[in-house]
Amino acid sequence: AQTVTQSQPEMSVQEAETVTLSCTYDTSESDYYLFWYKQPPSRQMILVIRQEAYKQQNATENRFSVNFQKAAKSFSLKISDSQLGDAAMYFCALGGSQGNLIFGKGTKLSVKP
Amino acid sequence: SQTIHQWPATLVQPVGSPLSLECTVEGTSNPNLYWYRQAAGRGLQLLFYSVGIGQISSEVPQNLSASRPQDRQFILSSKKLLLSDSGFYLCAWSMAFPETQYFGPGTRLLVL
Repeated sequence: AQTVTQSQPEMSVQEAETVTLSCTYDTSESDYYLFWYKQPPSRQMILVIRQEAYKQQNATENRFSVNFQKAAKSFSLKISDSQLGDAAMYFCALGGSQGNLIFGKGTKLSVKP
Repeated sequence: SQTIHQWPATLVQPVGSPLSLECTVEGTSNPNLYWYRQAAGRGLQLLFYSVGIGQISSEVPQNLSASRPQDRQFILSSKKLLLSDSGFYLCAWSMAFPETQYFGPGTRLLVL
């Protein structure tokens, strides 16, 4: 069975600082994708970043980057220069060949001014 | 560009009443479509997905059903709502497995 674990229910960061959100996963598939989604208070899920498992290079999108450790099945999200608008729930998700996304339980990120 | 719509945004229904939630996608053809439910403070659980008109796969047994009458239309239904059907329902689309899924704004359903 595929699983996704986010061990940090809540995190807090000072504005302009850097924070890392953790995610571990388990899958028996060799071809899969990993995603980080952001869910602000409006509750719409917004894609932050994605990583193809076959790519060794870590994905980067502006202030967001990932540390993908395939052997360890770890996929952490680093947010640099945190902004007040980054405050939200962040979900790690695993996508495989069966068509569904397996989501973690989420990490609530607070940004302090 | 592609957009995804869901309605209604909020719905309050009595136990035992029927349900119909609609999702439509614009700007693409033959998308994969998905229905998820999110309970309060939890992650998302996949309910149904569809790879084409009339093709529906169910992930969990439940009181709900889904239909895809048109290429870019996905409907979530129930004949008789239960209290446990309350939650936040999200529709999503993608072009293929396991490509990125893009989500609609969601529907808040409260069953009383």
